[in-house]
Amino acid sequence: QSVLTQPPSASGTPGQRVTIPCSGSSSNIGSNFVFWYQQFPGTAPKLLIYRNNQRPSGVPDRFSGSKSGTSASLAISGLRSGDEADYYCAAWDDSLSGPVFGGGTKLTVL
Amino acid sequence: QLQLQESGPGLVKPSETLSLTCTVSGGSISSSSYYWGWIRQPPGKGLEWIGSIYYSGSTYYNPSLKSRVTISVDTSKKHFSLKLSSVTAADTAVYYCARHQWLLPFGDYWGQGTLVTVSS
Repeated sequence: QSVLTQPPSASGTPGQRVTIPCSGSSSNIGSNFVFWYQQFPGTAPKLLIYRNNQRPSGVPDRFSGSKSGTSASLAISGLRSGDEADYYCAAWDDSLSGPVFGGGTKLTVL
Repeated sequence: QLQLQESGPGLVKPSETLSLTCTVSGGSISSSSYYWGWIRQPPGKGLEWIGSIYYSGSTYYNPSLKSRVTISVDTSKKHFSLKLSSVTAADTAVYYCARHQWLLPFGDYWGQGTLVTVSS
């Protein structure tokens, strides 16, 4: 049981915009920054969004993050087949004194 | 360019101790800005933070694993290590090492991961 809650799956067609939600509590998302990762099978997670809505160098602006209260979301616009991957949210948890993750969302491009 | 590389046995027997090392290259493990941590991912499942260590040796563990986990650092060898005792099949996972800042999740530097299977 992950501390942050994500839907197990999401889907969209090429060119579409999809949103992946992440729900937490006051001890994590509500009081700390949210990060997002993209993971392809057999590889390590790759940082996609940091500090709620910042993109590391090299991440396309098709990927965007937002946060409101104890929830956050990742939006992917102009969906491509290469975006098929697992997406994880994460945040620091003040009660745990450590980072917590969502359970991950498998994105399918139909 | 900072690189992290996990190493250790890929197969551990039940009830024994899992031991892994993460070697840091291309940067300093003694940076005052960063913590070094371990994350695991059981096959087909999500990510779980195991614990983290500061270069001074201060450690922070996930309460769910705290009784079985020891993380240590050797700055002279530029590596930090994980020991997980009394393992069971539930500890079978890909283990990653990565870097983070205090009050922030793991950033953009992760090891490639190493699969550890617990089986007799």
